[in-house]
Amino acid sequence: DAKTTQPPSMDCAEGRAANLPCNHSTISGNEYVYWYRQIHSQGPQYIIHGLKNNETNEMASLIITEDRKSSTLILPHATLRDTAVYYCIVRVFYNQGGKLIFGQGTELSVKP
Amino acid sequence: GAVVSQHPSWVICKSGTSVKIECRSLDFQATTMFWYRQFPKQSLMLMATSNEGSKATYEQGVEKDKFLINHASLTLSTLTVTSAHPEDSSFYICSARDVALAGFGDTQYFGPGTRLTVL
Repeated sequence: DAKTTQPPSMDCAEGRAANLPCNHSTISGNEYVYWYRQIHSQGPQYIIHGLKNNETNEMASLIITEDRKSSTLILPHATLRDTAVYYCIVRVFYNQGGKLIFGQGTELSVKP
Repeated sequence: GAVVSQHPSWVICKSGTSVKIECRSLDFQATTMFWYRQFPKQSLMLMATSNEGSKATYEQGVEKDKFLINHASLTLSTLTVTSAHPEDSSFYICSARDVALAGFGDTQYFGPGTRLTVL
Protein backbone atom coordinates (compact mmCIF):
# COMPACT_ATOMS: atom_id res chain seq x y z
CA ASP A 1 0.00 0.00 0.00
CA ALA A 2 1.19 3.51 -0.80
CA LYS A 3 2.66 5.72 1.90
CA THR A 4 1.01 8.96 2.98
CA THR A 5 2.43 12.20 4.35
CA GLN A 6 0.45 14.47 6.66
CA PRO A 7 1.42 17.54 8.71
CA PRO A 8 1.89 16.54 12.35
CA SER A 9 -0.43 19.21 13.72
CA MET A 10 -2.89 21.91 12.72
CA ASP A 11 -5.07 24.46 14.47
CA CYS A 12 -8.51 25.60 13.43
CA ALA A 13 -10.92 28.16 14.84
CA GLU A 14 -14.28 26.88 15.98
CA GLY A 15 -16.94 27.36 13.31
CA ARG A 16 -14.43 27.66 10.50
CA ALA A 17 -13.64 25.00 7.91
CA ALA A 18 -10.78 22.66 8.72
CA ASN A 19 -8.79 21.58 5.68
CA LEU A 20 -6.50 18.63 6.34
CA PRO A 21 -4.03 17.79 3.56
CA CYS A 22 -2.56 14.42 2.68
CA ASN A 23 0.09 13.54 0.11
CA HIS A 24 0.11 10.10 -1.47
CA SER A 25 2.28 10.56 -4.53
CA THR A 26 2.91 6.82 -5.05
CA ILE A 27 -0.76 5.83 -5.03
CA SER A 28 -1.69 3.18 -7.57
CA GLY A 29 -4.81 2.93 -9.66
CA ASN A 30 -6.72 0.52 -7.45
CA GLU A 31 -5.90 2.14 -4.11
CA TYR A 32 -8.53 4.03 -2.20
CA VAL A 33 -8.00 6.99 0.12
CA TYR A 34 -9.53 6.48 3.58
CA TRP A 35 -9.82 8.96 6.41
CA TYR A 36 -10.27 8.01 10.06
CA ARG A 37 -10.00 10.04 13.22
CA GLN A 38 -9.20 9.12 16.77
CA ILE A 39 -10.41 11.15 19.68
CA HIS A 40 -8.25 10.75 22.76
CA SER A 41 -8.51 7.29 24.38
CA GLN A 42 -11.13 6.05 21.92
CA GLY A 43 -11.10 3.72 18.93
CA PRO A 44 -10.71 5.27 15.47
CA GLN A 45 -13.86 6.53 13.78
CA TYR A 46 -14.42 6.09 10.05
CA ILE A 47 -14.98 9.40 8.27
CA ILE A 48 -14.97 8.97 4.53
CA HIS A 49 -13.19 7.27 1.64
CA GLY A 50 -12.82 7.74 -2.11
CA LEU A 51 -11.11 6.51 -5.25
CA LYS A 52 -11.13 9.25 -7.87
CA ASN A 53 -14.16 11.47 -7.42
CA ASN A 54 -14.77 13.93 -4.66
CA GLU A 55 -16.98 12.54 -1.94
CA THR A 56 -19.22 14.12 0.68
CA ASN A 57 -21.14 12.71 3.60
CA GLU A 58 -22.67 14.07 6.78
CA MET A 59 -19.30 14.36 8.46
CA ALA A 60 -16.93 15.70 5.84
CA SER A 61 -15.91 16.19 2.23
CA LEU A 62 -13.00 14.50 0.52
CA ILE A 63 -11.31 16.30 -2.34
CA ILE A 64 -8.91 14.18 -4.44
CA THR A 65 -6.70 15.87 -7.01
CA GLU A 66 -7.04 14.81 -10.62
CA ASP A 67 -3.66 13.05 -10.59
CA ARG A 68 -4.68 11.39 -7.26
CA LYS A 69 -1.35 12.28 -5.69
CA SER A 70 -2.91 14.27 -2.90
CA SER A 71 -6.21 14.80 -1.15
CA THR A 72 -7.84 17.13 1.36
CA LEU A 73 -10.33 16.30 4.05
CA ILE A 74 -12.68 19.18 4.77
CA LEU A 75 -14.66 19.55 7.96
CA PRO A 76 -16.99 22.40 6.93
CA HIS A 77 -17.78 23.85 10.35
CA ALA A 78 -15.31 22.57 12.92
CA THR A 79 -16.45 22.24 16.52
CA LEU A 80 -14.46 21.58 19.68
CA ARG A 81 -15.54 17.95 19.46
CA ASP A 82 -13.64 17.63 16.18
CA THR A 83 -10.35 17.90 18.09
CA ALA A 84 -8.65 14.59 17.31
CA VAL A 85 -5.86 12.87 15.39
CA TYR A 86 -6.83 12.46 11.75
CA TYR A 87 -5.38 9.62 9.72
CA CYS A 88 -5.15 9.48 5.94
CA ILE A 89 -4.62 5.90 4.74
CA VAL A 90 -4.23 4.53 1.24
CA ARG A 91 -4.97 0.92 0.50
CA VAL A 92 -6.54 -1.57 -1.86
CA PHE A 93 -9.52 -3.62 -0.76
CA TYR A 94 -8.91 -6.35 1.81
CA ASN A 95 -9.59 -9.14 -0.67
CA GLN A 96 -6.76 -7.73 -2.77
CA GLY A 97 -4.40 -7.83 0.17
CA GLY A 98 -5.01 -4.35 1.51
CA LYS A 99 -4.48 -3.58 5.18
CA LEU A 100 -5.43 -0.50 7.17
CA ILE A 101 -2.00 0.67 8.31
CA PHE A 102 -1.93 3.82 10.42
CA GLY A 103 0.77 6.45 10.16
CA GLN A 104 1.29 9.31 12.59
CA GLY A 105 -1.66 11.39 11.37
CA THR A 106 -2.44 15.05 11.91
CA GLU A 107 -3.37 16.27 15.37
CA LEU A 108 -6.13 18.81 14.80
CA SER A 109 -6.85 21.27 17.60
CA VAL A 110 -10.07 23.22 17.28
CA LYS A 111 -9.90 26.35 19.38
CA PRO A 112 -12.73 28.59 20.64
CA GLY B 1 -25.33 0.89 12.24
CA ALA B 2 -21.80 -0.58 12.06
CA VAL B 3 -21.21 -0.75 15.80
CA VAL B 4 -18.31 -2.70 17.25
CA SER B 5 -18.09 -3.33 20.98
CA GLN B 6 -15.24 -4.48 23.17
CA HIS B 7 -15.26 -6.02 26.61
CA PRO B 8 -13.87 -5.18 29.03
CA SER B 9 -13.16 -1.49 28.47
CA TRP B 10 -10.32 -1.68 30.95
CA VAL B 11 -8.60 -4.42 32.91
CA ILE B 12 -5.85 -4.61 35.50
CA CYS B 13 -4.10 -7.91 36.06
CA LYS B 14 -1.09 -9.34 37.80
CA SER B 15 2.03 -10.29 35.91
CA GLY B 16 1.90 -13.90 34.70
CA THR B 17 -1.86 -14.12 34.35
CA SER B 18 -3.86 -14.32 31.14
CA VAL B 19 -6.42 -11.80 29.99
CA LYS B 20 -9.17 -12.26 27.42
CA ILE B 21 -10.61 -9.37 25.43
CA GLU B 22 -13.81 -9.76 23.41
CA CYS B 23 -14.70 -7.94 20.22
CA ARG B 24 -18.23 -8.07 18.85
CA SER B 25 -19.87 -6.66 15.74
CA LEU B 26 -23.33 -5.73 17.00
CA ASP B 27 -25.34 -5.07 13.87
CA PHE B 28 -23.43 -6.65 11.04
CA GLN B 29 -21.57 -9.81 10.18
CA ALA B 30 -17.81 -9.67 10.11
CA THR B 31 -15.96 -12.54 8.52
CA THR B 32 -12.74 -10.61 9.11
CA MET B 33 -11.65 -8.84 12.28
CA PHE B 34 -8.42 -7.09 13.08
CA TRP B 35 -6.52 -6.49 16.30
CA TYR B 36 -4.40 -3.40 16.90
CA ARG B 37 -2.25 -2.23 19.78
CA GLN B 38 -1.47 1.36 20.68
CA PHE B 39 1.13 2.59 23.12
CA PRO B 40 0.90 6.10 24.63
CA LYS B 41 1.67 8.90 22.18
CA GLN B 42 2.02 6.41 19.33
CA SER B 43 -0.10 5.36 16.39
CA LEU B 44 -2.02 2.13 16.06
CA MET B 45 -0.05 -0.97 15.16
CA LEU B 46 -1.75 -3.86 13.40
CA MET B 47 -1.13 -7.08 15.32
CA ALA B 48 -3.16 -9.68 13.48
CA THR B 49 -6.04 -10.44 11.16
CA SER B 50 -8.58 -13.07 12.03
CA ASN B 51 -11.01 -14.75 9.68
CA GLU B 52 -14.04 -16.60 10.95
CA GLY B 53 -13.35 -20.31 11.24
CA SER B 54 -9.66 -20.17 10.38
CA LYS B 55 -6.35 -19.38 12.03
CA ALA B 56 -5.32 -15.80 12.52
CA THR B 57 -2.56 -14.20 10.48
CA TYR B 58 -0.04 -12.33 12.60
CA GLU B 59 2.06 -9.35 11.57
CA GLN B 60 5.81 -9.66 11.66
CA GLY B 61 7.19 -9.45 15.17
CA VAL B 62 3.94 -10.34 16.93
CA GLU B 63 4.17 -13.53 19.01
CA LYS B 64 1.28 -15.77 18.09
CA ASP B 65 1.72 -17.94 21.18
CA LYS B 66 1.45 -14.90 23.40
CA PHE B 67 -1.49 -13.25 21.68
CA LEU B 68 -4.05 -15.95 21.01
CA ILE B 69 -6.85 -14.99 18.66
CA ASN B 70 -10.07 -16.90 18.15
CA HIS B 71 -12.77 -15.94 15.68
CA ALA B 72 -15.42 -18.54 16.30
CA SER B 73 -18.45 -16.76 14.89
CA LEU B 74 -19.36 -14.03 12.42
CA THR B 75 -19.82 -11.54 15.24
CA LEU B 76 -17.19 -12.44 17.83
CA SER B 77 -13.42 -12.46 17.98
CA THR B 78 -11.34 -12.81 21.13
CA LEU B 79 -7.77 -11.83 21.94
CA THR B 80 -6.10 -13.58 24.86
CA VAL B 81 -2.89 -12.12 26.20
CA THR B 82 -1.15 -15.07 27.81
CA SER B 83 1.30 -14.77 30.68
CA ALA B 84 0.97 -11.01 30.62
CA HIS B 85 3.88 -8.82 31.67
CA PRO B 86 4.10 -5.08 32.34
CA GLU B 87 5.42 -4.45 28.83
CA ASP B 88 2.12 -5.82 27.46
CA SER B 89 0.31 -2.90 29.08
CA SER B 90 -1.29 -1.06 26.19
CA PHE B 91 -4.51 0.01 24.51
CA TYR B 92 -5.91 -2.88 22.45
CA ILE B 93 -8.38 -2.03 19.71
CA CYS B 94 -10.29 -4.34 17.41
CA SER B 95 -11.95 -3.58 14.13
CA ALA B 96 -14.38 -5.48 11.96
CA ARG B 97 -14.90 -5.56 8.24
CA ASP B 98 -18.50 -5.30 7.11
CA VAL B 99 -18.94 -8.14 4.63
CA ALA B 100 -22.15 -6.69 3.25
CA LEU B 101 -20.32 -3.54 2.22
CA ALA B 102 -17.25 -5.33 0.93
CA GLY B 103 -17.94 -4.27 -2.62
CA PHE B 104 -18.77 -0.70 -1.75
CA GLY B 105 -15.67 0.52 -0.01
CA ASP B 106 -14.61 -2.29 2.26
CA THR B 107 -14.87 -0.16 5.37
CA GLN B 108 -13.53 -1.26 8.72
CA TYR B 109 -15.23 -0.15 11.90
CA PHE B 110 -13.42 0.06 15.20
CA GLY B 111 -14.31 -0.83 18.74
CA PRO B 112 -13.80 1.60 21.63
CA GLY B 113 -10.64 -0.15 22.80
CA THR B 114 -9.54 -2.00 25.94
CA ARG B 115 -6.97 -0.52 28.29
CA LEU B 116 -4.79 -3.29 29.74
CA THR B 117 -2.56 -2.60 32.72
CA VAL B 118 -0.29 -5.38 33.93
CA LEU B 119 1.14 -4.93 37.41
